[in-house]
Amino acid sequence: EDQVTQSPEALRLQEGESSSLNCSYTVSGLRGLFWYRQDPGKGPEFLFTLYSAGEEKEKERLKATLTKKESFLHITAPKPEDSATYLCAVFGNEKLTFGTGTRLTIIP
Amino acid sequence: EAGVAQSPRYKIIEKRQSVAFWCNPISGHATLYWYQQILGQGPKLLIQFQNNGVVDDSQLPKDRFSAERLKGVDSTLKIQPAKLEDSAVYLCASSFLPNTEAFFGQGTRLTVV
Repeated sequence: EDQVTQSPEALRLQEGESSSLNCSYTVSGLRGLFWYRQDPGKGPEFLFTLYSAGEEKEKERLKATLTKKESFLHITAPKPEDSATYLCAVFGNEKLTFGTGTRLTIIP
Repeated sequence: EAGVAQSPRYKIIEKRQSVAFWCNPISGHATLYWYQQILGQGPKLLIQFQNNGVVDDSQLPKDRFSAERLKGVDSTLKIQPAKLEDSAVYLCASSFLPNTEAFFGQGTRLTVV
């Protein structure tokens, strides 16, 4: 069974303080790893897709990287509007499995 | 491009009542997912359709939950009878191909009292 573990569960940063979120996974035959952002009361919003180890994607202050066992979401000089829950999901065994998320709070 | 549409946004029912949720995916998306998200947790897959066929429903409580996808487009998810523990947000998502990015609707927040 596919498993996705995200850490930390919650992270509080000062505005401008860079950090990384971790997503470790166990899946037989990874066919895609996805990062989403979820704001309270809304559905997850797609951020990135990664398909192979070594791949990197960037969008504004976010950068996602992938190895054979984990993915990192790096956030550089975050702003208060980056506060949200960040979800990682893997596609393997023909279904999309999510982790429990990291709740990120950026303090002005 | 129109996103994934879901209705209703909110629903409050008493336990043992029935309820139905509707989802209209993005046009051209063959894969459709229903997820259950309990407060503070990640989304849990209930059922996945490829066109109008079921790919995975291993975590769907089939004694009370049912889902169908009419003509490979719209989908409905039904709960009958509802239990208190069914209180959650029900999310619908669709993707062009199974291993491409899925796009989510706003969800339906169900409260069972």
